[in-house]
Amino acid sequence: KAGVTQTPRYLIKTRGQQVTLSCSPISGHRSVSWYQQTPGQGLQFLFEYFSETQRNKGNFPGRFSGRQFSNSRSEMNVSTLELGDSALYLCASSGGFGGAINNEQFFGPGTRLTVL
Amino acid sequence: QQQVKQSPQSLIVQKGGISIINCAYENTAFDYFPWYQQFPGKGPALLIAIRPDVSEKKEGRFTISFNKSAKQFSLHIMDSQPGDSATYFCAARVYQKVTFGIGTKLQVIP
Repeated sequence: KAGVTQTPRYLIKTRGQQVTLSCSPISGHRSVSWYQQTPGQGLQFLFEYFSETQRNKGNFPGRFSGRQFSNSRSEMNVSTLELGDSALYLCASSGGFGGAINNEQFFGPGTRLTVL
Repeated sequence: QQQVKQSPQSLIVQKGGISIINCAYENTAFDYFPWYQQFPGKGPALLIAIRPDVSEKKEGRFTISFNKSAKQFSLHIMDSQPGDSATYFCAARVYQKVTFGIGTKLQVIP
């Protein structure tokens, strides 16, 4: 089975621009979660989608949004970029059945976003 | 609010030694505690995980010890090898929401 793929791998934007990142989950997985990773804050949960619906949300401003398509692929969008948005954005997929013992999350390699 | 506290943030261990990373949590609703290993340029990969009704789980050289009453858990890496040099994250999950510790950068020196 192919793993989680994320595109693009690297991205450079300037302040005020917007950006869209893409994530393709493992085949058959219905849940996609997004995380922001920075040296100072570590891994922080952004949101989780299951069957095209946002099921969980972290404590990020409304500039961060996402969506999931019927094939489980997901996109996240950041509008009005700020310098502090520079980070590694990770996507993780799982079967999505909360509470299941082996409902593991598998991470993609991430998209490295640099905001200048 | 950091719900999962991890220490130390960096650790240097000699080859063959034992690496120990500690974590503490606050939210008693967490029902699953995974550990992830991350190499530079890669996403985190699941290493080992435990549920709160189990006090210890061992997989090869990796062992999780879990103390539910103290709300603490730890990762022990026995016979540490240079290839174990990576960043390790403890985490706690409730439903599908995972909260990560800040990470421990482990360096195993020959």
